[in-house]
Amino acid sequence: SAVISQKPSRDICQRGTSLTIQCQVDSQVTMMFWYRQQPGQSLTLIATANQGSEATYESGFVIDKFPISRPNLTFSTLTVSNMSPEDSSIYLCSVPRAGDTQYFGPGTRLTVL
Amino acid sequence: EDKVVQSPLSLVVHEGDTVTLNCSYEVTNFRSLLWYKQEKKAPTFLFMLTSSGIEKKSGRLSSILDKKELFSILNITATQTGDSAIYLCAGITTSGTYKYIFGTGTRLKVLA
Repeated sequence: SAVISQKPSRDICQRGTSLTIQCQVDSQVTMMFWYRQQPGQSLTLIATANQGSEATYESGFVIDKFPISRPNLTFSTLTVSNMSPEDSSIYLCSVPRAGDTQYFGPGTRLTVL
Repeated sequence: EDKVVQSPLSLVVHEGDTVTLNCSYEVTNFRSLLWYKQEKKAPTFLFMLTSSGIEKKSGRLSSILDKKELFSILNITATQTGDSAIYLCAGITTSGTYKYIFGTGTRLKVLA
C-alpha cells in the first residue's frame, strides 16, 4: 500500500483567508485526486492533478477557488481560497494503486469560522 | 447522472450480530465497485468487485456484486465494536476519465 501524508491534519481558519493543504506520496504516481467530504456527506471529487499539465476540475469546482499545484510525481497541493463556513470539510488526497483501487491520505479537517 | 445509493443510512447493532449493507448503483461505463471503511478521516480499502456472483471474503467481512441488478452487499458477521465506522461504496466509471462515484455511506455503530 502507498504511504501518503497530508499537512496540516487539521486547521481552524477565519473566513476570507486561504489554506494550502499538502499531499506527499512515497512513490511516483501519474494522477493524484483531491476530494472533499462535507459534514454528513460522502466524498466528492474536486479535481484530478496530473504532473506537467493543468488539473482537471469536476463540475461545481473552479480553479480560482481551489487552485492545485503538481510540481512533481510525488507531491501536490490544494489551496482553499477565500474561505467561508461552507468550506468546512475534510479534504483528502488519494492516489490510484493496483487495479482500480485508490489509497487515501489521512485527511485534513478544516473548520472555517 | 451517475449515482450510488447506500442503505441503510445508519445502523445500530450489538456485538455478535450480523449486518448487511446495501449499495445500488447507476454508473455509465461501469468498471468496478469498491467498498471502503472510514473510521476517522481516511477511508481504508476493503474490497474491489468486478465480476458478478463472485464473493470476496476477508475474515468476517464478505461482499458480492450483482451486475444485472446493479447492486452490491457487504456482510459483516459476528460484529465487534471495532467495526463501528462509516462504510462507503464507490462505483468506478470510465466515461471520459476514470472516476470514483461515492455513495453517502452507511454509519454502523456496534454496541458492546
